[in-house]
Amino acid sequence: AQSVTQLGSHVSVSEGALVLLRCNYSSSVPPYLFWYVQYPNQGLQLLLKYTSAATLVKGINGFEAEFKKSETSFHLTKPSAHMSDAAEYFCAVRGSNFGNEKLTFGTGTRLTIIP
Amino acid sequence: DAGVIQSPRHEVTEMGQEVTLRCKPISGHDYLFWYRQTMMRGLELLIYFNNNVPIDDSGMPEDRFSAKMPNASFSTLKIQPSEPRDSAVYFCASSFPGSNEKLFFGSGTQLSVL
Repeated sequence: AQSVTQLGSHVSVSEGALVLLRCNYSSSVPPYLFWYVQYPNQGLQLLLKYTSAATLVKGINGFEAEFKKSETSFHLTKPSAHMSDAAEYFCAVRGSNFGNEKLTFGTGTRLTIIP
Repeated sequence: DAGVIQSPRHEVTEMGQEVTLRCKPISGHDYLFWYRQTMMRGLELLIYFNNNVPIDDSGMPEDRFSAKMPNASFSTLKIQPSEPRDSAVYFCASSFPGSNEKLFFGSGTQLSVL
């Protein structure tokens, strides 16, 4: 079974400051890990994914995440926050074994950008 | 491509009524997922299909919920009878092997049961 824990349901950062959203995972098999973003009144969009290739993954809109097996973490970062980054962010996990299509989401972190 | 299309966008109904939510996946996608989003429980997977066949319905909360996928381009999620605690946003998503595990989400149906 797989699960993710997102630390902090709300995060506020100033415009131009570093964004750090935390995610820890638990998985009985090597995991695939994802970050999705949800803007108000919209569905989720994929930001980036880790599927057992490079441990540092770059996504859209300047975001990146690093897979750290020793820490069972997949934290999302962006060097400089922009007002348009205000949204809800979800970490998700699924097993990498064939036929395991079930994607399990964390409870989400709402990111607020302070002008 | 128009993306995953869900209807209705909003649904307000009274307790005890039947509710049917609809989803049209992206053409060529053979996986379809139904998720429910609430403040208390976040995003929960209810059921998913592969090639129109239900693969895992362990997330369906109870017998009042049922889902069907009669063909590759259409799925329904039905709640009968509806209860206030079913109020949530219901998302449909689709994907295909080779999409690098990327889910494409619809805009959701906001369901309010009074």
